[in-house]
Amino acid sequence: RKEVEQDPGPFNVPEGATVAFNCTYSNSASQSFFWYRQDCRKEPKLLMSVYSSGNEDGRFTAQLNRASQYISLLIRDSKLSDSATYLCVVTPRGGSGNTGKLIFGQGTTLQVKP
Amino acid sequence: DADVTQTPRNRITKTGKRIMLECSQTKGHDRMYWYRQDPGLGLRLIYYSFDVKDINKGEISDGYSVSRQAQAKFSLSLESAIPNQTALYFCATSDLSSGDTQYFGPGTRLTVL
Repeated sequence: RKEVEQDPGPFNVPEGATVAFNCTYSNSASQSFFWYRQDCRKEPKLLMSVYSSGNEDGRFTAQLNRASQYISLLIRDSKLSDSATYLCVVTPRGGSGNTGKLIFGQGTTLQVKP
Repeated sequence: DADVTQTPRNRITKTGKRIMLECSQTKGHDRMYWYRQDPGLGLRLIYYSFDVKDINKGEISDGYSVSRQAQAKFSLSLESAIPNQTALYFCATSDLSSGDTQYFGPGTRLTVL
């Protein structure tokens, strides 16, 4: 079983739609959680961190459910420019605390259509 | 100028050749990482370094070696390239002040024939 699992999609949605992605992780001791965005053939870039209480950044809302070990990303009012691959990222907890390593899901591809 | 740079950006080589990919950063970060990305598999960690004298194997280190020449430079070598090392390679940096956020270079697309 992969440590971080995502539905690869693609998710094809019209402009203005609301779309949600989920991600599950296997290590219950995982410490930190993120969503990264990757445009085609480009490097991943941090979209937002995910906090236990949930957090919002404009049209983007991230949620964490530690009991069920899943993370979600909600995008409201989708724009054409939101078309990208969204990577779910988790940091494992090492013996001395945070290891500094990231574990990536394979990504979920979003295509927003006009 | 980009904070994390990688050279070359694209490389085509033949099986058995030795290849070096280079990464430089101007962010002043202590930690540097090398990943490869394959379709359907996401990014996988090859090697990482938390400072100049620290080198650690990642998830898929076989067939690769690294050198941390300075705080700002971290190179990845394929001693004898094979076709299944064809992939997109990313370097990344972080440090304690950035938390767990990693900053990625633009990537090197490597093709081994």
